[in-house]
Amino acid sequence: QVQLRQSGPGLVRPSQTLSLTCDISGDSVSTNSASWNWIRQSPSRGFEWLGRTFYRSKWFQDYAVSVKSRITMSPDTSKNQVSLHLKNVTPEDTAVYWCARDRAVAGIDFWGQGTVVTVSS
Amino acid sequence: SYVLTQPPSVSVASGETATIACGGDNIGNQNVHWYRQRPGQAPVLVIYDDSKRPSGIPERLSGSNSGNTAALSIRSVEAGDEADYFCQVWDSGFDHGWVFGGGTKLTV
Repeated sequence: QVQLRQSGPGLVRPSQTLSLTCDISGDSVSTNSASWNWIRQSPSRGFEWLGRTFYRSKWFQDYAVSVKSRITMSPDTSKNQVSLHLKNVTPEDTAVYWCARDRAVAGIDFWGQGTVVTVSS
Repeated sequence: SYVLTQPPSVSVASGETATIACGGDNIGNQNVHWYRQRPGQAPVLVIYDDSKRPSGIPERLSGSNSGNTAALSIRSVEAGDEADYFCQVWDSGFDHGWVFGGGTKLTV
């Protein structure tokens, strides 16, 4: 059974960098049949896809246009995890952040437990 | 960017059939997925690729997709079905990525 376990701070100061990690068990971050996504959810904006990383003979990162200038997602094959870094945050980045696995036409079949992140001074 | 439109709420009596619509431009040409989310919990995939059920999802749940509307139907609704339901597609346009509907609160 695939499990995704998220970790990272729940409070980030404005203009700082939000950093979260997603530890993967039951699958390999290097699988060529899935992608690893970061998605956030807030009452005002609903679900917002931030980006994904996936391996297809080489690594790819694919980011949402809305955050492309601020986001980095990195796979770590030695730890079997993916990380999210979102720089220069504002209160608008306050949300629940989700790590999630998708298998394309099969949808998102596994989600992390979610991390509530508040951007405030 | 691609927009998915859902009614904010649907209310049905226990034992009846609930139908939740998801509207989008030519959504019938997309693969639509549906998720159930209970308060404080992660979403759970209940329908993928328009009408397929993951392991463990009862046959009471079904999906359809044609034209500009996809739909999730829940037959013989139970109290445990009360939750928020979201539809989702992959937008392959310029502003690409996973797109979600605004969600429908199902009240039993």
